[in-house]
Amino acid sequence: GEDVEQSLFLSVREGDSSVINCTYTDSSSTYLYWYKQEPGAGLQLLTYIFSNMDMKQDQRLTVLLNKKDKHLSLRIADTQTGDSAIYFCAENVYNNNDMRFGAGTRLTVKP
Amino acid sequence: DADVTQTPRNRITKTGKRIMLECSQTKGHDRMYWYRQDPGLGLRLIYYSFDVKDINKGEISDGYSVSRQAQAKFSLSLESAIPNQTALYFCATSDSRVSGRGTGELFFGEGSRLTVL
Repeated sequence: GEDVEQSLFLSVREGDSSVINCTYTDSSSTYLYWYKQEPGAGLQLLTYIFSNMDMKQDQRLTVLLNKKDKHLSLRIADTQTGDSAIYFCAENVYNNNDMRFGAGTRLTVKP
Repeated sequence: DADVTQTPRNRITKTGKRIMLECSQTKGHDRMYWYRQDPGLGLRLIYYSFDVKDINKGEISDGYSVSRQAQAKFSLSLESAIPNQTALYFCATSDSRVSGRGTGELFFGEGSRLTVL
């Protein structure tokens, strides 16, 4: 398909792990990103992965990339109520202006 | 103070009115963008500018125009607003020097919520 696809909602309990999935469109995409949008705010870059990597870990965040299936995931360990936000997957071909965003996954963390 | 500032933050207007949304940045970035966010649709690119003399249409430019008055300022205009332009609008910036060797990260303003009645 032509769209970057994400499920729209995810609900987890505090302390559990959250996994947000994304399917992207362009096998030549060079960078893949996860942005976080908190209520009433703009998007902020959470993490990114270069297409020659399979995994990237940054504290509680783990990004997994499956290039064959064009699948990207974001795992948040020990999810906290402050992680409640909308998470956007995005892809970008090297030095190209065309940054494509998914629709965003709204993560709700219940106490 | 925010690095990317949008004004107004909220605006309610009527069909047919002309509206301007303004964006200014203190990041020293050369590239600026206007996106629109609709529930369930993510962000869609309206216009982008790689420098003061460069303006490009994005995915959904119809009904919109832009002006890059200076490197730090990029405004979005709706010449005759219609209800389906009701949305949350974001300005963003990026640094081409980073894009060339790095992530191409976008820096967003806090958004301008526009309601067209």
